[in-house]
Amino acid sequence: AQSVSQHNHHVILSEAASLELGCNYSYGGTVNLFWYVQYPGQHLQLLLKYFSGDPLVKGIKGFEAEFIKSKFSFNLRKPSVQWSDTAEYFCAFSAGDYKLSFGAGTTVTVRA
Amino acid sequence: SQTIHQWPATLVQPVGSPLSLECTVEGTSNPNLYWYRQAAGRGLQLLFYSVGIGQISSEVPQNLSASRPQDRQFILSSKKLLLSDSGFYLCAWDVSRSSSYNSPLHFGNGTRLTVT
Repeated sequence: AQSVSQHNHHVILSEAASLELGCNYSYGGTVNLFWYVQYPGQHLQLLLKYFSGDPLVKGIKGFEAEFIKSKFSFNLRKPSVQWSDTAEYFCAFSAGDYKLSFGAGTTVTVRA
Repeated sequence: SQTIHQWPATLVQPVGSPLSLECTVEGTSNPNLYWYRQAAGRGLQLLFYSVGIGQISSEVPQNLSASRPQDRQFILSSKKLLLSDSGFYLCAWDVSRSSSYNSPLHFGNGTRLTVT
């Protein structure tokens, strides 16, 4: 069965610290990969996506993610976080069909 | 531009009462439609998806049901709510598979359901 796992349930860090959220999926074929973000009180928004091409994907708000096929990973990174990055982050993937499988989410708390 | 409307935003219902959540999409035709539930600490769970009018697929067994009476309308229902049905329900859409399935998912603002 297809699945996606996010390694961290809750991450707490200070402003200007670097952030990396792990995401691994289990599927042997071609995948489309996504990171979604949900800020407090807001709906889910697409942060970035990978379909094909350059495995290093640039998203909004300074986020990037790298697709490493050999590791089945799509980790999200940001070199320097801000207080406004406090949110819940979801990794998701689809494997050739139109359904997305989501990870359990990682809550990121950035302390000023 | 495409928009998705989901209502109500919040709902408090007693155990055993019925449920009806509605979702409509504007500005696109023949979308794939989805109902997700976000329970505390459990991430997003796909409940139902639909690729066309009257075509509903269920991902998990539960006392919920879904219907798609029109191309851009998706309804989540229950005849008798359980306490475990409490959660945050999200409707979403993306481009139909017949054109391209490599499209991102667009979410509504969600409905916070509390069953008491």
